[in-house]
Amino acid sequence: NAGVTQTPKFQVLKTGQSMTLQCAQDMNHEYMSWYRQDPGMGLRLIHYSVGAGITDQGEVPNGYNVSRSTTEDFPLRLLSAAPSQTSVYFCASSSPSEGVTQYFGPGTRLLVL
Amino acid sequence: GDSVTQMEGPVTLSEEAFLTINCTYTATGYPSLFWYVQYPGEGLQLLLKATKADDKGSNKGFEATYRKETTSFHLEKGSVQVSDSAVYFCALRGSSNTGKLIFGQGTTLQVKP
Repeated sequence: NAGVTQTPKFQVLKTGQSMTLQCAQDMNHEYMSWYRQDPGMGLRLIHYSVGAGITDQGEVPNGYNVSRSTTEDFPLRLLSAAPSQTSVYFCASSSPSEGVTQYFGPGTRLLVL
Repeated sequence: GDSVTQMEGPVTLSEEAFLTINCTYTATGYPSLFWYVQYPGEGLQLLLKATKADDKGSNKGFEATYRKETTSFHLEKGSVQVSDSAVYFCALRGSSNTGKLIFGQGTTLQVKP
């Protein structure tokens, strides 16, 4: 199993550009989440999904869009990038049938100029 | 809402010193508690977990006990090594079991030889 994979690893955007951060998992996990990590603030939840076709907002959803058309994929879309979205983004997955552990991807480092 | 508070860092220790990183939480019901570790340039790895009161999680010489009476989950290690230098995150998952994690702000540990 590859686990949770994220692409790209690093991206530079200009203000106003759009992009999609990709996340995929091959563990057949129902739950998937996106977090952003900023210095001194830990990780904050952006959006999450409890299954295909079901998504909900987390703590910091503004400026981000998600959809979940398959169990495996959970892309995060930045519609119009802003410097405040410069961060490291982590995707995670878990399954209630496997207990409480979440598995994290390696992260995407995003710089918005 | 649910929240996690960690002691502020950075924490600087000499090799073989005793480590304590404090973590307290606020949550309704019976959350699960976690410690994640992030080594330089890497993603998050689960270090240990506890799912009910008085459970002790342990891994790689690290321990933490789920104390419901004090709403705490302090991380301890008897003798740290230089290789333990990393950022440590305390986190909780609420009893609603939707896969969402609430993180503390993280504590940077630096161990000097």
